[in-house]
Amino acid sequence: NAGVTQTPKFQVLKTGQSMTLQCAQDMNHNSMYWYRQDPGMGLRLIYYSASEGTTDKGEVPNGYNVSRLNKREFSLRLESAAPSQTSVYFCASSTKGGGAYEQYFGPGTRLTVT
Amino acid sequence: AQSVTQPDIHITVSEGASLELRCNYSYGATPYLFWYVQSPGQGLQLLLKYFSGDTLVQGIKGFEAEFKRSQSSFNLRKPSVHWSDAAEYFCAVGAQSNYQLIWGAGTKLIIKP
Repeated sequence: NAGVTQTPKFQVLKTGQSMTLQCAQDMNHNSMYWYRQDPGMGLRLIYYSASEGTTDKGEVPNGYNVSRLNKREFSLRLESAAPSQTSVYFCASSTKGGGAYEQYFGPGTRLTVT
Repeated sequence: AQSVTQPDIHITVSEGASLELRCNYSYGATPYLFWYVQSPGQGLQLLLKYFSGDTLVQGIKGFEAEFKRSQSSFNLRKPSVHWSDAAEYFCAVGAQSNYQLIWGAGTKLIIKP
């Protein structure tokens, strides 16, 4: 039981390049989330998926797209990376959506955009 | 506006001493309250949560937190810290009807030997 896995762990991009961050969970959770973490700012929600087949914007969605590929997988795509997207990205999942449920986090992807 | 404030960016505590990390929130609905811990280079792990009932909740690793509605606070405590407790701690608030947890900025705990 791996929990929430993320790939890659580290990535360096040049401005304008694109990439997809992958996330998978094996806990049969319905809801999945993408956050970014910047120093002194806590976690900010980029997008979430309440259930398979649905996605919604969070607090900071600009410059990102997501795909809920199936119940297990939720990917985050940067179409044209910018230095402001340098951050640590976390994927999380929960049994159901809503703020009452514990979220389980992956180990994170550290992205640098030069 | 909904917000979570962790007033202390860093806290330094001697090993074996007691610890209290502060969390204050502003939230219109009945809040669900969480404390998460993040060890260096790791993801976040839930320490404890409060939904209702007894306002003193016990968590993992010997942590506890007390919900005080009148003070809009949910402070995290530990009677005696260990070097392995050095990490960053995040308070978060949610509501049943809202998918977005509101996160504090975090408090970094430094343990002095």
